[in-house]
Amino acid sequence: GAVVSQHPSRVICKSGTSVKIECRSLDFQATTMFWYRQFPKKSLMLMATSNEGSKATYEQGVEKDKFLINHASLTLSTLTVTSAHPEDSSFYICSALGTGGWYEQYFGPGTRLTVT
Amino acid sequence: SQQGEEDPQALSIQEGENATMNCSYKTSINNLQWYRQNSGRGLVHLILIRSNEREKHSGRLRVTLDTSKKSSSLLITASRAADTASYFCATDARGSGAGSYQLTFGKGTKLSVIP
Repeated sequence: GAVVSQHPSRVICKSGTSVKIECRSLDFQATTMFWYRQFPKKSLMLMATSNEGSKATYEQGVEKDKFLINHASLTLSTLTVTSAHPEDSSFYICSALGTGGWYEQYFGPGTRLTVT
Repeated sequence: SQQGEEDPQALSIQEGENATMNCSYKTSINNLQWYRQNSGRGLVHLILIRSNEREKHSGRLRVTLDTSKKSSSLLITASRAADTASYFCATDARGSGAGSYQLTFGKGTKLSVIP
């Protein structure tokens, strides 16, 4: 149980284009999902908290117009990197908040974005 | 400064040996979690220890929590080559009240188990 998938696993795009990454909770409903970014050999940095049916809450320093988040259903959140630049190249990981008493987060396998 | 600092940053051991990784944090927590990440992959949840717990076991994993010292340790016993990965501790950002359940991750310990 508690499986989270991400699609695509890898994407290469040209500078200036937009890329959408999907995060799905496969066997449970997640009212809250999180989007993280991880640089090589670094830790995860929380970008935003996505709540179903409402606007995402972005962390300080994260541009909400650049990283558009839509949590339209209880099993799907999407992150769209708009007008991508090479510095947006990174490993993006989503997680979904479990419904157990201590709110464990279940992580997706990540998406490697390369902007050329 | 960053919540959840692990040490050592890198650890290399022989198969069969025990591996101990430490994590320190700065603010009050409700729970602390340990995750494993294989290179270029997502995170796998290993174990969660609550703030009112001092020790927890799961298979070959043993986690301790000392809230007075704001520290935790992860012990992997009888290590295997397949344990090679990066290990992260993560703390929730909540205080005593309700919050957003956000996790703050440390920088991780890269463990290499040599066959």
